[in-house]
Amino acid sequence: ETGVTQTPRHLVMGMTNKKSLKCEQHLGHNAMYWYKQSAKKPLELMFVYNFKEQTENNSVPSRFSPECPNSSHLFLHLHTLQPEDSALYLCASSRGGGQMDGYTFGSGTRLTVV
Amino acid sequence: AQSVTQLDSQVPVFEEAPVELRCNYSSSVSVYLFWYVQYPNQGLQLLLKYLSGSTLVKGINGFEAEFNKSQTSFHLRKPSVHISDTAEYFCAVSAPGTASKLTFGTGTRLQVTL
Repeated sequence: ETGVTQTPRHLVMGMTNKKSLKCEQHLGHNAMYWYKQSAKKPLELMFVYNFKEQTENNSVPSRFSPECPNSSHLFLHLHTLQPEDSALYLCASSRGGGQMDGYTFGSGTRLTVV
Repeated sequence: AQSVTQLDSQVPVFEEAPVELRCNYSSSVSVYLFWYVQYPNQGLQLLLKYLSGSTLVKGINGFEAEFNKSQTSFHLRKPSVHISDTAEYFCAVSAPGTASKLTFGTGTRLQVTL
């Protein structure tokens, strides 16, 4: 176990559906991140949360809506997605500040939009 | 800001042969450097990191990397690879400071064959 748990592992959804991805960590980390990883493309940082506050949104379309109710949980709410949104969505956490420990990643959610 | 370049997108190698995966970084300040490994449909796992001190860093699974400040490089090496080392490898850089984030390279696919 990596210490960061993502559910579900796999998700197939239609373009009109609404679903949510969940990320949970009990490492005592204060920062959490959402990444998108598409085939043949670099890792894309989507959102950053520090102490439950969103500190970065990298021009992500509004059909992706993050939520961080506390430092241990992070959600990504999905609605009216497009086929090009199919990808592996990775959650990560860190102690925040200085990044001496790097990030701890979850195993990801493989999302397929049909 | 920091950036990292992984010069090879794919590296094919025979089992039991040595391998080197290249990583160069750019930064105007001191850096922390990381190598991560990603197996298929998994998240990224930390292999090793350089923070300061000895320039030769040893990590898990027999990998090591050498920090070279003059060449701004942090190449990853293994003297004898195994089939199970087949994976994607990511180099990442950050800098000291509370607002620092990890910046990832585009990844190198290591393909080990018999």
